[in-house]
Amino acid sequence: EAGVTQFPSHSVIEKGQTVTLRCDPISGHDNLYWYRRVMGKEIKFLLHFVKESKQDESGMPNNRFLAERTGGTYSTLKVQPAELEDSGVYFCASTHFANTGELFFGEGSRLTVL
Amino acid sequence: KNQVEQSPQSLIILEGKNCTLQCNYTVSPFSNLRWYKQDTGRGPVSLTIMTFSENTKSNGRYTATLDADTKQSSLHITASQLSDSASYICVVSVRQAGTALIFGKGTTLSVSS
Repeated sequence: EAGVTQFPSHSVIEKGQTVTLRCDPISGHDNLYWYRRVMGKEIKFLLHFVKESKQDESGMPNNRFLAERTGGTYSTLKVQPAELEDSGVYFCASTHFANTGELFFGEGSRLTVL
Repeated sequence: KNQVEQSPQSLIILEGKNCTLQCNYTVSPFSNLRWYKQDTGRGPVSLTIMTFSENTKSNGRYTATLDADTKQSSLHITASQLSDSASYICVVSVRQAGTALIFGKGTTLSVSS
């Protein structure tokens, strides 16, 4: 069974440009999460989807970030326009059971904003 | 404020030796505590998940303990191997609708031969 896959693995863009990150969760997992780790800091929550609905988006930094999960399958996270402080590793994770289930992480998408 | 503190920040040990990593948390209401292993350039991989009533849980050479009264957890690695070199992250789940996970910064373990 395929795990959580993320694309691209690494993206380098200039300040002001747009980047879209994609996550394909494990098939059948209704719960999908986005997290971010900036250098030297801990991993922090961005948002949580249950199927195609946003359950919790309290961790989204600002309105330059837009996450979608059309059809309840894969999800995208768009940053527009990107700023220097958006640099970091963006992780996607999925699980069958929201509060008690094992969370499976993707390998992350490293974003570098110059 | 919900926080997870890990110590030490980094650790170097010789292959074959044992080590213990610490995690203190101030998270309420508590749901469960997880330990993850993250290899460089990879995503975190779950080692153990413990609920309030569980004191210890093992996964091969990894043994996690939980003291819910003192809000402390430890991860003990027995007979370390070179492949144990990684970041070990303590994560505490807040009991609420959905999953709210509070991550520690991790302990970076280096195992040398």
